[in-house]
Amino acid sequence: KAGVTQTPRYLIKTRGQQVTLSCSPISGHRSVSWYQQTPGQGLQFLFEYFSETQRNKGNFPGRFSGRQFSNSRSEMNVSTLELGDSALYLCASSWAGVADTQYFGPGTRLTVL
Amino acid sequence: AQSVTQLGSHVSVSEGALVLLRCNYSSSVPPYLFWYVQYPNQGLQLLLKYTTGATLVKGINGFEAEFKKSETSFHLTKPSAHMSDAAEYFCAVRVGTSGSRLTFGEGTQLTVNP
Repeated sequence: KAGVTQTPRYLIKTRGQQVTLSCSPISGHRSVSWYQQTPGQGLQFLFEYFSETQRNKGNFPGRFSGRQFSNSRSEMNVSTLELGDSALYLCASSWAGVADTQYFGPGTRLTVL
Repeated sequence: AQSVTQLGSHVSVSEGALVLLRCNYSSSVPPYLFWYVQYPNQGLQLLLKYTTGATLVKGINGFEAEFKKSETSFHLTKPSAHMSDAAEYFCAVRVGTSGSRLTFGEGTQLTVNP
């Protein structure tokens, strides 16, 4: 069974631009979560989508948004990029329950210049 | 709200020595606890998890962890370190009211010396 895939793997943008990252979950998984990983702040939860609805949201500004499609694929968008948005963005998928394992993708490395 | 504290951002051991990575959690409700490993330029891989039942949990690659409610701890151990164990390790907690949201500790970088 294929794992979680994320595209693109690497991205370079400049301040003020916007970016869209994509995540394809493991087949059959209905929950997709996004995390931001930086050296200074560690791993921080962005949001979770389940059955096309945002089920949970972390403490990030409104510039960070996401959505989920009917096939469970998810995208996250960051508008008006700032230097501090440079990070590894990780996507994770799971079946649905709170005890379920979250499987992580390899991440998208975003660099903002 | 739940939280996780990992004691020691860097741990160094010799090959063949015991590995002990410490994790303490804070949660007002019964938690689900996880250990993940991250190799350079990769995502997170699950080592093991505690949900309910047996408090000693065995995971992949010879790792295990024990859930101790009285100490609010979930330390990760491996009897004999291997060079391939060098990586960053993250402890995480999830509670039933937070959906699939994981709250992670700061991570522990494990170095294995020959």
